[in-house]
Amino acid sequence: AQRVTQPEKLLSVFKGAPVELKCNYSYSGSPELFWYVQYSRQRLQLLLRHISRESIKGFTADLNKGETSFHLKKPFAQEEDSAMYYCALRETSGSRLTFGEGTQLTVNP
Amino acid sequence: GAVVSQHPSRVICKSGTSVKIECRSLDFQATTMFWYRQFPKQSLMLMATSNEGSKATYEQGVEKDKFLINHASLTLSTLTVTSAHPEDSSFYICSAPRTVGDAQYFGPGTRLLVL
Repeated sequence: AQRVTQPEKLLSVFKGAPVELKCNYSYSGSPELFWYVQYSRQRLQLLLRHISRESIKGFTADLNKGETSFHLKKPFAQEEDSAMYYCALRETSGSRLTFGEGTQLTVNP
Repeated sequence: GAVVSQHPSRVICKSGTSVKIECRSLDFQATTMFWYRQFPKQSLMLMATSNEGSKATYEQGVEKDKFLINHASLTLSTLTVTSAHPEDSSFYICSAPRTVGDAQYFGPGTRLLVL
């Protein structure tokens, strides 16, 4: 069965510092990976997906199949990046998502 | 992005009553919708996949007679918590992809409190 692991429940950095939120997965096939973000009192929203290879709000994530990882990175964190971040895996197009436990990012001034 | 709404946003009910939660796709048609449950400080757990015009697919451990799902139209799925008990108190979230293969768009969630 597929599994998504986010080893850090809490992550705190200072404004302007680099940030990396870790995500590892286990799945035998070719998964599709996503990062979702939930700001305080707001709904879950898509941040980025690996097939798009985009940079959203300065965040990037590269799928490393060898290490089965999809870490989220930003070179210079901003206070408005403080939020809950979830890594998610989808087995095939249209099928359900499996979420990691989430990482609460706090960016201090 | 696509918009998904939920109603109500919050509901308080007595133990033993049934509660219906609606999930609507406002600007697209959704043949598939997903229902999640989220406990405080925990991740989202998929409960079931709602399929328009057919029966929902429930995840292991989720009682289908307890959590009734109806996907009567391409823009509406409902989750009914029957004979609710305090342990059913939780945050219920729905989502839907705009098209097959698209990312899922999430509703704002419904907080259920059973007294």
